[in-house]
Amino acid sequence: NAGVTQTPKFQVLKTGQSMTLQCAQDMNHNSMYWYRQDPGMGLRLIYYSASEGTTDKGEVPNGYNVSRLNKREFSLRLESAAPSQTSVYFCASIQKDRGGSYGYTFGSGTRLTVV
Amino acid sequence: GDSVTQMEGPVTLSEEAFLTINCTYTATGYPSLFWYVQYPGEGLQLLLKATKADDKGSNKGFEATYRKETTSFHLEKGSVQVSDSAVYFCALSASNTGNQFYFGTGTSLTVIP
Repeated sequence: NAGVTQTPKFQVLKTGQSMTLQCAQDMNHNSMYWYRQDPGMGLRLIYYSASEGTTDKGEVPNGYNVSRLNKREFSLRLESAAPSQTSVYFCASIQKDRGGSYGYTFGSGTRLTVV
Repeated sequence: GDSVTQMEGPVTLSEEAFLTINCTYTATGYPSLFWYVQYPGEGLQLLLKATKADDKGSNKGFEATYRKETTSFHLEKGSVQVSDSAVYFCALSASNTGNQFYFGTGTSLTVIP
């Protein structure tokens, strides 16, 4: 099925551990994004990649790194997890058209708890 | 900076009631406006969008009109169903910052039979 696939769906980490969240899309979209969703705060952009080989910081990049491995894959890494990074993480992709941009296609999310 | 403000929830309605969820925005230039819906345990799905002033987006009985004079994009539905229970997000895409989106904080809707 076409769309955005995220793994894992759930993860519990201890403070200081590292992990990588994986994201892949099969729609041949150029742009990919990582958001975090916290209660009462909506979605906040962590990092994005406008095209293969490029990455840029979003609103809340501290404590995260990303890799745009190829056009399909965009991973998010937590080098040393902190309780403040407990959140639901969403990956999304979008294909910008000439007149503006289509809506995002979102993955189903990764629920991360840092204890 | 660009931002979206939407009404706080939660909102609880009886089936077949009329729904309005307010959304106002602040943006330079001419943004595109969106409503997304998130069902429990799932990612966000595009519900409807409008790309210029006075456009009306519609889908699944939901409607929203892009009002430049009041900087608003309120979501409405004439008769809600239990299956409409979800969290609704208003969002804008600012034309002068590429395709980065700005999301509201979300409004939780519960429809009771």
